[in-house]
Amino acid sequence: AQKVTQAQTEISVVEKEDVTLDCVYETRDTTYYLFWYKQPPSGELVFLIRRNSFDEQNEISGRYSWNFQKSTSSFNFTITASQVVDSAVYFCALSGTGGSYIPTFGRGTSLIVHP
Amino acid sequence: DTGVSQDPRHKITKRGQNVTFRCDPISEHNRLYWYRQTLGQGPEFLTYFQNEAQLEKSRLLSDRFSAERPKGSFSTLEIQRTEQGDSAMYLCASSTPPSFGRNTEAFFGQGTRLTVV
Repeated sequence: AQKVTQAQTEISVVEKEDVTLDCVYETRDTTYYLFWYKQPPSGELVFLIRRNSFDEQNEISGRYSWNFQKSTSSFNFTITASQVVDSAVYFCALSGTGGSYIPTFGRGTSLIVHP
Repeated sequence: DTGVSQDPRHKITKRGQNVTFRCDPISEHNRLYWYRQTLGQGPEFLTYFQNEAQLEKSRLLSDRFSAERPKGSFSTLEIQRTEQGDSAMYLCASSTPPSFGRNTEAFFGQGTRLTVV
């Protein structure tokens, strides 16, 4: 069985603060993939990043960075110098061979960035 | 390519009526997923197709829910005899299929928001 836990329901920050969104996953697969999606108020889920289980390198894309640690089954997402436009719900997802590669989502973290 | 397209964007229906939603995936994607999302929750998987084959449907919420993808292109999701508890956002996504152990990300449409009154 696959499971994704996003323990933070809502995070509120002031613009320019750094913020980290936590994601913890459970899977029995040895080959699996992790994803982050952003859902702005308009409703469409926007793909942000994919990582596979064999690649624990951290990734940075502009103000976004991701920290994948297999030892703690975590795939955390950090936004540096947050902006009001970052306000959205962020979802972590997992897919793997045991689940036919069907993405399983966490409950999401609502990020509110105040000006 | 304009991405995954869903129609309608909003649907209000009376309890007991049937509704049908359409999804047009990205053209080169042969995997198509349907998810349901309720307020404050993450997307909940319902069913998926690879080409025209429906490979998983045990997670459809009841026998009132059905989905088709007759020619391996667009898909429809039908809910018969709608109930108030069916009110939710219905999301469609598409992707290329996993190959050689590599998975690809799913791209989502804007969803159809269903309100049952």
